[in-house]
Amino acid sequence: GIQVEQSPPDLILQEGANSTLRCNFSDSVNNLQWFHQNPWGQLINLFYIPSGTKQNGRLSATTVATERYSLLYISSSQTTDSGVYFCAVAYTGNQFYFGTGTSLTVIP
Amino acid sequence: DTEVTQTPKHLVMGMTNKKSLKCEQHMGHRAMYWYKQKAKKPPELMFVYSYEKLSINESVPSRFSPECPNSSLLNLHLHALQPEDSALYLCASSQRDTGEGYTFGSGTRLTVV
Repeated sequence: GIQVEQSPPDLILQEGANSTLRCNFSDSVNNLQWFHQNPWGQLINLFYIPSGTKQNGRLSATTVATERYSLLYISSSQTTDSGVYFCAVAYTGNQFYFGTGTSLTVIP
Repeated sequence: DTEVTQTPKHLVMGMTNKKSLKCEQHMGHRAMYWYKQKAKKPPELMFVYSYEKLSINESVPSRFSPECPNSSLLNLHLHALQPEDSALYLCASSQRDTGEGYTFGSGTRLTVV
């Protein structure tokens, strides 16, 4: 099956710092999403981004499907950004498979 | 509050018990999903329902039995589970064809004793 690797696996930031999370996938995909799982386990959909660039406040994401990677940018990080960030990919339609995750801790 | 509601939030069951997990959404989504998540691991896809029909079963053991009574409801029936089945069980829904609008419930934390 498809391999979805995320880097770095763990990241500790000072509040206010910027960061870039990477998602590499081993095969061509038609769909890609980014999720944030908060410390209580709730998964929140951040971006649906099969290609191109999107921005939402302090977060932005870019997917280069032809080169099989996606990036998530977090600017001016806040303690509420802590948690695990997952990318999830699908060959077709809605059958998404999750990456290995990046665990982010933002310290005051 | 999430728009996908899962009950119960916590469940402890014995290996001989039968229990059910329930998931409900009212967003008009026609695709619904069950995922299993072990501690410090990513969610793993178990089942996909499209238009109330099972379209994907990721080789899940038969002790897990999904059911989709209507477009808003998804159940997961549990029977004769093992301690290694203890995990967070997550339900999600989305638009059917693209997966856009993927929304997760807050999960059921299951412990098998």
